Amino acid sequence: AQKVTQAQTEISVVEKEDVTLDCVYETRDTTYYLFWYKQPPSGELVFLIRRNSFDEQNEISGRYSWNFQKSTSSFNFTITASQVVDSAVYFCALSEAVSNFGNEKLTFGTGTRLTIIP
Amino acid sequence: DAGITQSPRYKITETGRQVTLMCHQTWSHSYMFWYRQDLGHGLRLIYYSAAADITDKGEVPDGYVVSRSKTENFPLTLESATRSQTSVYFCASRTGGYTEAFFGQGTRLTVV
Repeated sequence: AQKVTQAQTEISVVEKEDVTLDCVYETRDTTYYLFWYKQPPSGELVFLIRRNSFDEQNEISGRYSWNFQKSTSSFNFTITASQVVDSAVYFCALSEAVSNFGNEKLTFGTGTRLTIIP
Repeated sequence: DAGITQSPRYKITETGRQVTLMCHQTWSHSYMFWYRQDLGHGLRLIYYSAAADITDKGEVPDGYVVSRSKTENFPLTLESATRSQTSVYFCASRTGGYTEAFFGQGTRLTVV
């Protein structure tokens, strides 16, 4: 069974500090996809990034970066120079069985609530 | 409007009543999902559907029923609502296992 663990329940940092959100996953599949979503205080779920299991290159998008390491089954998310607008709940998610139509569940972690203190 | 919409946005119901949450998407996505969000539990999968007339249980299916007679609709029914089903419910859709899911705005359900 697939599983996603976000051990950090809540994190608070002062504005402009860097912060890393951890995500560890479990899967028996060799083909899978990992995702990060943001849920701001308004409640909607916003897609941030998708990464497939064959691409271990790190990705950077502005102040956001993602580190995918298959050796440790981790897909961590770093925000550089944090801002108050980054305050949100962040979810990591796993989709496996991508070649087995009908079984492509999308499993989420419990989320990390990030608070940026001005 | 294009997208995925849930209705109602807010609902208060009494214990024992049947209630149906609606989800409609305009993209013709194959997959649709229902999640519930509770403090400390994140997003837990209730049911999902790979196509019309194909549904399967997720992590927490007890007390819920789904149907999918048309690709664009995926209603979730609480057969006899209980207080433990008070939650925020999110519907989502996507093309397949390799794509991101798009979420509705959520339905806040309170069972009294």
